[in-house]
Amino acid sequence: DAGVTQSPTHLIKTRGQHVTLRCSPISGHKSVSWYQQVLGQGPQFIFQYYEKEERGRGNFPDRFSARQFPNYSSELNVNALLLGDSALYLCASSFLRGGQETQYFGPGTRLLVL
Amino acid sequence: AQSVTQLDSQVPVFEEAPVELRCNYSSSVSVYLFWYVQYPNQGLQLLLKYLSGSTLVESINGFEAEFNKSQTSFHLRKPSVHISDTAEYFCAVSEAGSTLGRLYFGRGTQLTVWP
Repeated sequence: DAGVTQSPTHLIKTRGQHVTLRCSPISGHKSVSWYQQVLGQGPQFIFQYYEKEERGRGNFPDRFSARQFPNYSSELNVNALLLGDSALYLCASSFLRGGQETQYFGPGTRLLVL
Repeated sequence: AQSVTQLDSQVPVFEEAPVELRCNYSSSVSVYLFWYVQYPNQGLQLLLKYLSGSTLVESINGFEAEFNKSQTSFHLRKPSVHISDTAEYFCAVSEAGSTLGRLYFGRGTQLTVWP
């Protein structure tokens, strides 16, 4: 079975631009979470979606938004990019939502903002 | 909220030597505990997790971690490391019983195994 897939793998943008990152969860998984991993730090929680509804949001500005589609894939959108948005963006999926559920991570999208 | 402290940012060790990667957490509620491993240019892979029951949990590749509630620790150990264990290791917690499953990660420990 395919794992969590993310696209694109790498992306270069300039300040002020907008970016859309995509994630396809493991087949049958209904929950998708997004994390931001800045170089040298651990991942930080951005969003969780379950059954197409936002269930949780981390401490990120409104420039960050996301959505989940009927097939459970998800998009993360970031507007008005800042240099500090340069990071590895990780998507994780799980069958249910809840702390006991193992979250399976994709390879990430590496975003560089110039 | 929960927080995780990984006490060592880098741990160099020779092949076949034992290793311990330290993790302490802070939380006002019960937690689940996880160790993830990240190889270069890859995402995170779950190494092992503690949900309940036996405080000693093991992975299939020889790592083990012990939950110590009084010390609020979840240190990762391996009695004999291999070159292939070179990677970044992240300790994480989530709130037990929460329907959110949000993970709080430490800053990571880079384990480098030398021949």
